[in-house]
Amino acid sequence: DTEVTQTPKHLVMGMTNKKSLKCEQHMGHRAMYWYKQKAKKPPELMFVYSYEKLSINESVPSRFSPECPNSSLLNLHLHALQPDDSALYLCASSQDLADTQYFGPGTRLTVL
Amino acid sequence: KQEVTQIPAALSVPEGENLVLNCSFTDSAIYNLQWFRQDPGKGLTSLLLIQSSQREQTSGRLNASLDKSSGRSTLYIAASQPGDSATYLCAVEDDKLIFGTGTRLQVFP
Repeated sequence: DTEVTQTPKHLVMGMTNKKSLKCEQHMGHRAMYWYKQKAKKPPELMFVYSYEKLSINESVPSRFSPECPNSSLLNLHLHALQPDDSALYLCASSQDLADTQYFGPGTRLTVL
Repeated sequence: KQEVTQIPAALSVPEGENLVLNCSFTDSAIYNLQWFRQDPGKGLTSLLLIQSSQREQTSGRLNASLDKSSGRSTLYIAASQPGDSATYLCAVEDDKLIFGTGTRLQVFP
């Protein structure tokens, strides 16, 4: 299994909703990442987990809350988002930090 | 602060042409450089990774070079095909992956 899966593919939520994005990999990778990508822009790093511990938080607002329940799963909990948070949210994993990153297909998030 | 720039921003070529995409970065203290492909609205596909100690990597019709001292990398695509149409992103890894601005490539039949 050489892929990273993300669910849901699309998500529409209101500013008062609570929702979660899910990412899964079964490649035995020990590093997992969340990126945010706005239209026609490159991805921007949000969080990095290494061996299930948060190692990088790129000053992301607290309305985004990551969670790594086990070595295969990475969640991103969303609460009280703003319309400007609408973007493609990409998950990636790598064998270890500084190794090739494998990306999932992304979740297209729209905040109304 | 590391900055990564890609030139050109967009490129449209007929099928069969050989192409060169350029990437430059401001800080040469990197672990590696990666080239990715992204189709519209989709995730990224890793194409090539060059470690900081390497000069080039090849995969099929793709060849990537790295000149760390001058802060440059090129991605060479041989005999381009319509299926190569996508956005190509380079990214350098220092303590995190920093992406360039991308080159949007269209190959027409």
